[in-house]
Amino acid sequence: GGIITQTPKFLIGQEGQKLTLKCQQNFNHDTMYWYRQDSGKGLRLIYYSITENDLQKGDLSEGYDASREKKSSFSLTVTSAQKNEMAVFLCASSIVGTTNTEVFFGKGTRLTVV
Amino acid sequence: GEKVEQHESTLSVREGDSAVINCTYTDTASSYFPWYKQEAGKSLHFVIDIRSNVDRKQSQRLIVLLDKKAKRFSLHITATQPEDSAIYFCAASQNSNNRIFFGDGTQLVVKP
Repeated sequence: GGIITQTPKFLIGQEGQKLTLKCQQNFNHDTMYWYRQDSGKGLRLIYYSITENDLQKGDLSEGYDASREKKSSFSLTVTSAQKNEMAVFLCASSIVGTTNTEVFFGKGTRLTVV
Repeated sequence: GEKVEQHESTLSVREGDSAVINCTYTDTASSYFPWYKQEAGKSLHFVIDIRSNVDRKQSQRLIVLLDKKAKRFSLHITATQPEDSAIYFCAASQNSNNRIFFGDGTQLVVKP
C-alpha cells in the first residue's frame, strides 16, 4: 500500500509570515488535493492538481499558493498568516478511473498562528 | 458547482442500535458517492462508497442507499459499537473532473 506524508505535523507561525506545507505521496496518483479543516467544520478545498505542473483553484484559494513540482509532491503556501488562525490542512491524492475514485488522506498539518 | 449537505451535524445512539446519516447533493452529473470516517485526532479514511448504477451497497455492518431521483444518499450503520464513534463525511463527485465535494460531517456518538 501507499502512504501520504505531510510535513511538518505541527506548524506555529507569526502573523504576516509566509508558511509552506509539504506533501508527498507514493501511490503514483495523478490527482492531489489540499483541504482546510477548521474545528468542528467540514473540508474546504483550497487547491488541487490533476497532473505535474497543473494547478486548479478550489473554493478557498485566496491567501494561498500551491505548487505541483512533480507527480509525487504537492506543496501549499500560506502567503500571509492571519493572527489567531488555527486549522488543520489535509493533503490527499486520488486516481480517477472508471471504477474507483477513492481519495487517500495524509495525517494533516496543524497550523497555529500567534 | 456541486453542493453536498449533511443533515445531521451530531447523532447519538445506544450501542447495538442503528445509526443513519443522510446527505443530499445538487448536481445530477455526480455519479460517485464515497463515505469517510474521521476518528478523534486522526485523518480521514475511506469506509464505503456507492456508484450511480446501483441503489444499494452493503459491506458488513455498513449499508449505503442512493436515491438518484431525490438526489439523496444515506449511510446506515447497523449494530453500532463504541468504536463506530467518529465524524462521518459524505462526498460526491463526477469521474470526469476529479473534484470531490464533501459534506460538513456528522459527529456520531455511540453510547455504551
